[in-house]
Amino acid sequence: DVKVTQSSRYLVKRTGEKVFLECVQDMDHENMFWYRQDPGLGLRLIYFSYDVKMKEKGDIPEGYSVSREKKERFSLILESASTNQTSMYLCASSSVAGLAGSAPHTQYFGPGTRLTVL
Amino acid sequence: QKEVEQDPGPLSVPEGAIVSLNCTYSNSAFQYFMWYRQYSRKGPELLMYTYSSGNKEDGRFTAQVDKSSKYISLFIRDSQPSDSATYLCAMSAGNTGFQKLVFGTGTRLLVSP
Repeated sequence: DVKVTQSSRYLVKRTGEKVFLECVQDMDHENMFWYRQDPGLGLRLIYFSYDVKMKEKGDIPEGYSVSREKKERFSLILESASTNQTSMYLCASSSVAGLAGSAPHTQYFGPGTRLTVL
Repeated sequence: QKEVEQDPGPLSVPEGAIVSLNCTYSNSAFQYFMWYRQYSRKGPELLMYTYSSGNKEDGRFTAQVDKSSKYISLFIRDSQPSDSATYLCAMSAGNTGFQKLVFGTGTRLLVSP
């Protein structure tokens, strides 16, 4: 089974703090993604990476940065947390080949981190 | 206009009902169509996928794609309270290079005992 883990399930931070969210996948996937999910807005792509040390902006990158130093690990960084970054953050990974029985580029998600910024 | 449209619901049905969940899309290049199920406070999990047009059945679940109408459906037969979740459709254009998935916003389903 594909396993994507995220460092925390729940996190409470103060405005202005630097926040690190970490994601690890164990399936040797080349692609990794960070989304935020808010009621009524669905999944919104923040950043993605298709290879180690490579990163691309998604639809809402402002206020975020990412790091991918190893293939299995993709970190999301909030440089200076703000209240409007309170959200559910989801990490996902995918491979062009897909797993047996799955479509290519199927994304496998972690359990999510519910971040509250006070 | 969004690339993928999905009614947010909630859709409330009694146990045992047949449920129909739908998405419309605008990009004719989409070839792979997926359905994810997301329980409250959890990450989405892949339920099933379909390639191009046609039907695919897996137990109580049937996925249907009509490319001519740019319309996909997920049917749930004999719905159970454990089916209560948010269902997201997702699509991609192909199997080469790098592909992102385009997601619908999700439909919240409530199945009452």
